[in-house]
Amino acid sequence: DTAVSQTPKYLVTQMGNDKSIKCEQNLGHDTMYWYKQDSKKFLKIMFSYNNKELIINETVPNRFSPKSPDKAHLNLHINSPELGDSAVYFCASSPLAGGYNEQFFGPGTRLTVL
Amino acid sequence: KQEVTQIPAALSVPEGENLVLNCSFTDSAIYNLQWFRQDPGKGLTSLLLIQSSQREQTSGRLNASLDKSSGRSTLYIAASQPGDSATYLCAPQPGGGADGLTFGKGTHLIIQP
Repeated sequence: DTAVSQTPKYLVTQMGNDKSIKCEQNLGHDTMYWYKQDSKKFLKIMFSYNNKELIINETVPNRFSPKSPDKAHLNLHINSPELGDSAVYFCASSPLAGGYNEQFFGPGTRLTVL
Repeated sequence: KQEVTQIPAALSVPEGENLVLNCSFTDSAIYNLQWFRQDPGKGLTSLLLIQSSQREQTSGRLNASLDKSSGRSTLYIAASQPGDSATYLCAPQPGGGADGLTFGKGTHLIIQP
């Protein structure tokens, strides 16, 4: 299946335990994103990468660090997570083709910090 | 800073009705606008993308219109079905590059059988 995939689907951790979420897209897209959906279901952009280069870094605590080993992968590393980081994290990708920049989302990873 | 408002916040109607979901945004300097649906516990499914030069887009029973100058978009759902029940999200994109989408809080739609 052509898609944006994320692992794991659920992630439960204690405060202070470093964790990572993996994202892969096989759509051949140039750009990948991370979004956060909080408990009130509000979605907000965190990062965007174009061809492995960081383009956007919104006001996100520096304990969040994206890592892009190649164009098809954008992983999210959370260093010493805090209670307030509990949320659903979505990865997305889009082509950068002449402006038809439709974004496709992964299924999400629900992070629970205890 | 772009702000997106979706009205109504929630809507419950019997199946078969035609529906209009409204979206307004404060900064009209957008590159395109995307409509999504989100089912409970699931990711976002892209429904339609309207480029800023377009007035509307259609996909099956869905029709989305865009009035960029007034900062408005509408999603029209014809002959609604119980399977249309979901949260519908409107998301303008400021630029044609790697800009993130700005989301509204969505319209929670329930179609009663």
